Amino acid sequence: QSALTQPASVSGSPGQSITISCTGTSSDVGSYNVVSWYQQHPGKAPKVIIYEGSKRPSGVSNRFSGSKSGNTASLTISGLQAEDEADYYCCSYAGSSTWVFGGGTKLTVL
Amino acid sequence: QVQLQESGPGLVKPSQTLSLTCTVSGASISSGGYYWSWIRQHPGKGLEWCGYMYNSGSTYYNPSLKSRINISADTPKNQFSLKLSSVTAADTAVYYCARVSYDAFYIWGQGTMVTVSS
Repeated sequence: QSALTQPASVSGSPGQSITISCTGTSSDVGSYNVVSWYQQHPGKAPKVIIYEGSKRPSGVSNRFSGSKSGNTASLTISGLQAEDEADYYCCSYAGSSTWVFGGGTKLTVL
Repeated sequence: QVQLQESGPGLVKPSQTLSLTCTVSGASISSGGYYWSWIRQHPGKGLEWCGYMYNSGSTYYNPSLKSRINISADTPKNQFSLKLSSVTAADTAVYYCARVSYDAFYIWGQGTMVTVSS
């Protein structure tokens, strides 16, 4: 069970859009529509921002969207804001009642 | 409003057993329908799913920890616990408890830092 692959860092200017990829295998991301995404600010617990691939919890901005193609899931943040600067993690069900996270991506808002 | 709170020693000696408790308020861990999970984060690193339990009974673990981990419930206290045996410095991490719903780790505790050191 290997961690999902995310870019270590991405950056964008306020108002721009960015996309964070999350690459797994046919045993996890590719087989199940249960990818979730988490935002973590320094010193804080992670917060779910996308579940079941593309659904947003109540209260999460519609600037956050999720999608999947094959073994790769993606998180897109549109209209970047300073408050979006954080670490982002993807997570997927990996079969046999196990879960796997991505290594995390640090988003810098320039 | 469901809340989770981790508690336990912040320092554990190598080879000993790490024991943490997650106290749940606003929901019953025995009511069914949810998985109750432990996740850890090594300093400056990513998240690692450790394991979870369902209905205060069934447990599922990360294969990498399977020989050392145990998750159990104390239903009267509405708590669930994590025990990790034979710890080493590699087990130093922030440990979070979380409730799974909608196939996501939906509600998290604030986390507790555990350092393994003599």
